[in-house]
Parts: sequence; C-alpha cells; structure tokens
Amino acid sequence: AQSVSQHNHHVILSEAASLELGCNYSYGGTVNLFWYVQYPGQHLQLLLKYFSGDPLVKGIKGFEAEFIKSKFSFNLRKPSVQWSDTAEYFCAVTTGFQKLVFGTGTRLLVSP
Amino acid sequence: EAQVTQNPRYLITVTGKKLTVTCSQNMNHEYMSWYRQDPGLGLRQIYYSMNVEVTDKGDVPEGYKVSRKEKRNFPLILESPSPNQTSLYFCASSPGADFYNEQFFGPGTRLTVL
Repeated sequence: AQSVSQHNHHVILSEAASLELGCNYSYGGTVNLFWYVQYPGQHLQLLLKYFSGDPLVKGIKGFEAEFIKSKFSFNLRKPSVQWSDTAEYFCAVTTGFQKLVFGTGTRLLVSP
Repeated sequence: EAQVTQNPRYLITVTGKKLTVTCSQNMNHEYMSWYRQDPGLGLRQIYYSMNVEVTDKGDVPEGYKVSRKEKRNFPLILESPSPNQTSLYFCASSPGADFYNEQFFGPGTRLTVL
C-alpha cells in the first residue's frame, strides 16, 4: 500500500526565514500529489497540487513544491515565511479512485 | 457559498451512547469521505462513498457506520462509541471519484468519548 512520510514533525522558524518541508511517498505508479494546510482551529485547505506537467508547482500564499520522481519526493518550499504561516502542513497522495493518503503532518511555528 | 458543513462541531459523550455526526455538501459532489485526525498519525480515512447508495471502507472503519441515501448528505454513525474514538473528524467531498479532483473539507467535529 502507498504511504507518505513527513520527516519533520515540528519546525520552528523566525519570520523571513526560508522554509522547506520534506515529503516522500512510496508508490511506483502514477501519482497525484497535494499539500494541505490547517491553520489553528480551522479545516484543511489546499495549498497546491501536482497532477502532471511542470514539476515545479506554485500554490497560494507564495508556496511552491517540486516533484522529483526519481526521489519519490514532493517537498514544500517558501522563500520567506510569515507569522501567519504558523499552521500544520500535510502532504497527501492519490494513486487511484480518490484514495487520498496523508502524511502525519508537520507543525510549523513562525516566531515574529 | 460552496461548502461542506458538519454538525455538531464539538461533542462530549459517554461510552456506548449512540451518536451521529452529520455532513452535508452543497456542491453536488459525487464523492464524499470521512477522516479522523489524531496527533502523530495524520488523517486516516474511515469510510468513503462514490455516489448515492455506494459506500466502502477506508483504512480505519471499525466501530463506524455510514449511509448515503442522498447525494448531499453522508452521516457518520457511532453505534457504541468507545474512548479510542475520541478524535477530530473531518468530512470531505469531491466532484468525482477519479484522482484528478481536489477534496473539499468540512470544519471538523471534535469528539470526546468518556
């Protein structure tokens, strides 16, 4: 069965620092990849998604992610974080009929 | 406004007392799903439904039931809740069952079983 690994469980950054959150998946076939964000007390919102084409995907709020097929990775990046980026971030993969498999999440705390 | 709604948002109950968490979407989506979110485990799928009267088990279905009698509603039923079902529950919907569609999530229901 497919699985998703997010190795950073907690990340603490200062404002203006650069962010990279790791995501690796295990599945040898065609995948669709997602990053969701959950702000404190809120529901999950889609940050960005990759289905095909350009492996560098740009999402909302200045986030981007790069799909590297050879490394089975889909890392999330942002050049300069803000306090308002404090949230929990989930990487997710689908390989078939809406079977969305989530990673365990990364809690990001941005200090002002 | 297009949305997924869940009720109640917060619920404290006791072991064995049957409860239902409702989920409704107003986007005419075919696909709906229930997840539970637990610290360190991320989100895990409980049940999903590809269309009316079509439901199937996800990764953690034990102790839960669902029904899909109407397209817009997908209630989650706990016949005999136990403390290990204390969790944060999310309902989600999607236009279709194929994997190109984004899932839209509800606001969550925080359930505590004493």
